[in-house]
Amino acid sequence: EVQLVQSGAEVKKPGESLKISCTGSGYNFPNYWIAWVRQAPGKGLEWMGIIFPGDSHTRLSPSFQGQVTMSVDKSISTAYLHWSVLKASDTALYYCARPAIVDTAIVDIWGQGTLVSVSS
Amino acid sequence: QPVLTQPPSSSASPGESARLTCTLPSDISVDRYSIYWYQQKTGRPPRFLLYYKSDSDVGRGSGVPSRFSGSKDFPANTGILFISGLQSEDEADYYCMIWPGNAVFGPGTKLTVL
Repeated sequence: EVQLVQSGAEVKKPGESLKISCTGSGYNFPNYWIAWVRQAPGKGLEWMGIIFPGDSHTRLSPSFQGQVTMSVDKSISTAYLHWSVLKASDTALYYCARPAIVDTAIVDIWGQGTLVSVSS
Repeated sequence: QPVLTQPPSSSASPGESARLTCTLPSDISVDRYSIYWYQQKTGRPPRFLLYYKSDSDVGRGSGVPSRFSGSKDFPANTGILFISGLQSEDEADYYCMIWPGNAVFGPGTKLTVL
């Protein structure tokens, strides 16, 4: 079964750093992009960007450039989303997802989401 | 990044049809883009429903019933998700998306099946 399993919920303070993870299984992890999508409480979906595990090529949406870093360790089929300085506005549910190999806009596999709460 | 417009809410009764719209800004033509549609039920990750570029370029997600379909209204510069034979399980948030170099989601429409 193809699946993405994300790390557990996090409670952090503003100014702290954080790295959340997304581990893929059941498919050839290096060959498929991994996308990250943010959903603030009660709000809609925001596309953060994508990373290609095969070569770590990253495409961040303009709104998230300089705000987060995406990385991957293909040896353990895991992608990461990293903040060096968290803000309260980073409080959200973060999904990793796998776009289809033929069209990166078709996102057909989703992780369960990681809830990040940032509060003083 | 373009800003897509979706009505915040829509409602219909079981068995009826729903027409959800996604309007592109006037400076980009709906003709240029495939319109992707995602469904998100409460507490669940989104689900890819379908994309529509033209009548000859469409695709539906795995297991998505044929009562979900897409189209475009060119004069209105709008993508449309049409759901026929509404069922209570269709109650969800529906997001459109385009890909002008990177994905852009619309704000979503909450569909209530009364």
